[in-house]
Amino acid sequence: AQRVTQPEKLLSVFKGAPVELKCNYSYSGSPELFWYVQYSRQRLQLLLRHISRESIKGFTADLNKGETSFHLKKPFAQEEDSAMYYCALSGSNAGNMLTFGGGTRLMVKP
Amino acid sequence: ETGVTQSPTHLIKTRGQQVTLRCSSQSGHNTVSWYQQALGQGPQFIFQYYREEENGRGNFPPRFSGLQFPNYSSELNVNALELDDSALYLCASSRTVEMNTEAFFGQGTRLTVV
Repeated sequence: AQRVTQPEKLLSVFKGAPVELKCNYSYSGSPELFWYVQYSRQRLQLLLRHISRESIKGFTADLNKGETSFHLKKPFAQEEDSAMYYCALSGSNAGNMLTFGGGTRLMVKP
Repeated sequence: ETGVTQSPTHLIKTRGQQVTLRCSSQSGHNTVSWYQQALGQGPQFIFQYYREEENGRGNFPPRFSGLQFPNYSSELNVNALELDDSALYLCASSRTVEMNTEAFFGQGTRLTVV
């Protein structure tokens, strides 16, 4: 069975501080990993995905197959980064059906 | 380009009743997935429709059923509502069923069962 775990429900940092949102997964094959974000009063939207290997809004995420992790990082947090972040996985035998983690609320304080 | 739209935005039902939720997919998308999001939790996959056929199903009982129409819009039906069915129901559409395809989400329907 596939599973995504986000150990922190809430992460609070000051503006300009580094941010790391943790994500661990379990899957027996080769998964595709995503980070989705939900800003206040907006819909859930894709932030970045592993296959693209790009930086979006200063965020990056590296897939570590040995540790089965896909942590989201940003060197300098901004107040506008405050949002709900969800790590998600899709499997090779399940198309783009997503398994989500429980989410981490990031609060960036001024 | 019109995004994913869901209706209604909110509704209240009584235990034992039936409910139908609707979703219009984004233009050019042939795949629709439905998710249930309980308060304080991440979305949980219910099922997916691809070109009018069910393409996969999560761990939900048969009283959760769906349809996809020729224009790729979709319905989620829930029979014999239970209190635990109270949740935000999200619809997501995508261009294909490939595993790395981005899902575009609607704003959701908030269902309350009393």
